Amino acid sequence: EAGVTQSPTHLIKTRGQQVTLRCSPISGHTSVYWYQQALGLGLQFLLWYDEGEERNRGNFPPRFSGRQFPNYSSELNVNALELEDSALYLCASSSDRINEKLFFGSGTQLSVL
Amino acid sequence: DQQVKQNSPSLSVQEGRISILNCDYTNSMFDYFLWYKKYPAEGPTFLISISSIKDKNEDGRFTVFLNKSAKHLSLHIVPSQPGDSAVYFCAAKAGGYNTDKLIFGTGTRLQVFP
Repeated sequence: EAGVTQSPTHLIKTRGQQVTLRCSPISGHTSVYWYQQALGLGLQFLLWYDEGEERNRGNFPPRFSGRQFPNYSSELNVNALELEDSALYLCASSSDRINEKLFFGSGTQLSVL
Repeated sequence: DQQVKQNSPSLSVQEGRISILNCDYTNSMFDYFLWYKKYPAEGPTFLISISSIKDKNEDGRFTVFLNKSAKHLSLHIVPSQPGDSAVYFCAAKAGGYNTDKLIFGTGTRLQVFP
């Protein structure tokens, strides 16, 4: 069974640009979570989608947004990139709404120059 | 405000000995705690969890202890093996539907040497 897959694995952008990251959850999982891991910091919660709806978002500005598609895959969009957006973006999925255990993808390493 | 804190960024332990990784939290509403392990270039993988109704949970070489009064949990690895070398994240969540996101600590890098 395939795990959580994320694309691309690496990305280099410049300030002000926009980026879209993609995530495919484990088959049968309806919840998708996005986390940001900046250098020296823990995993910071970004967004949670379940059944196609945004259920919760972390303390990030509105230029961080996303969506979940009918097949439960998800996109994370970041507009007007800033240098501090450079980080590893991790997607995770779970099979129920009480996310006792998350399954993570390998992440997308975003560098903003 | 860091609600989950891992104050030791790194730990070095000899193979065969015990590794103890510590985690402190500030939110008394947290009722479920998890440990994740992360290798380079991979996503975190679930290791072990504990509910706030327990004070200990064991799974093979891994044991997690919870001290609710001190708002402290620890992960014990006995015996430590070189393959355990990774970054370990402590995570916690509060009950309820809309607040059940996981809050992660900053991680502790464990190195197990021969």
